[in-house]
Amino acid sequence: GQQVMQIPQYQHVQEGEDFTTYCNSSTTLSNIQWYKQRPGGHPVFLIQLVKSGEVKKQKRLTFQFGEAKKNSSLHITATQTTDVGTYFCAGSRSNDYKLSFGAGTTVTVRA
Amino acid sequence: EAGVVQSPRYKIIEKKQPVAFWCNPISGHNTLYWYRQNLGQGPELLIRYENEEAVDDSQLPKDRFSAERLKGVDSTLKIQPAELGDSAVYLCASSTNRDGNSPLHFGNGTRLTVT
Repeated sequence: GQQVMQIPQYQHVQEGEDFTTYCNSSTTLSNIQWYKQRPGGHPVFLIQLVKSGEVKKQKRLTFQFGEAKKNSSLHITATQTTDVGTYFCAGSRSNDYKLSFGAGTTVTVRA
Repeated sequence: EAGVVQSPRYKIIEKKQPVAFWCNPISGHNTLYWYRQNLGQGPELLIRYENEEAVDDSQLPKDRFSAERLKGVDSTLKIQPAELGDSAVYLCASSTNRDGNSPLHFGNGTRLTVT
């Protein structure tokens, strides 16, 4: 089963607004990766976080890794229609190499 | 660089029939993965290869699923016989190394429908 849980499952956002999606693990992760899957497409790698408390930005996207390395968040500012899709987090533990994906947060945007 | 190539893109079969999927990873990527993605879910690992060795097949239903990567490059995933519950998208991915810290590059997937 999935090692990581994502909330919310669905996010309906007004264009121009901000939102945050969360990823939680019951175990400490060695790293966490985020992927985006457009409707009908395949997951595409966005970013990887490795260090405790790490924050990385990609334009309007801000990714954070929790201090305990058990949770992560993705914050999108000024949402655009191009942000539509499903965002997956995926984590691996330090004692194995298996990357486990969450169920994803599916984002729809109201123009 | 060329991406991960999968074929076929779509496959519709009747239950109890066999089916096979093919994957060509990115050149130089030693690690190859097969994932299954059900509707509304994240990808779930079926098998991971390091070169030609299957290093993690713990979630592969071995009674009906098999996979091979004979020369450490291309890989095939087979289901025989298929069941209705096997309907899903089968994704192949590759990465440069095996420590779980490398980004996965996914192919477009094969959408399997079992009727």
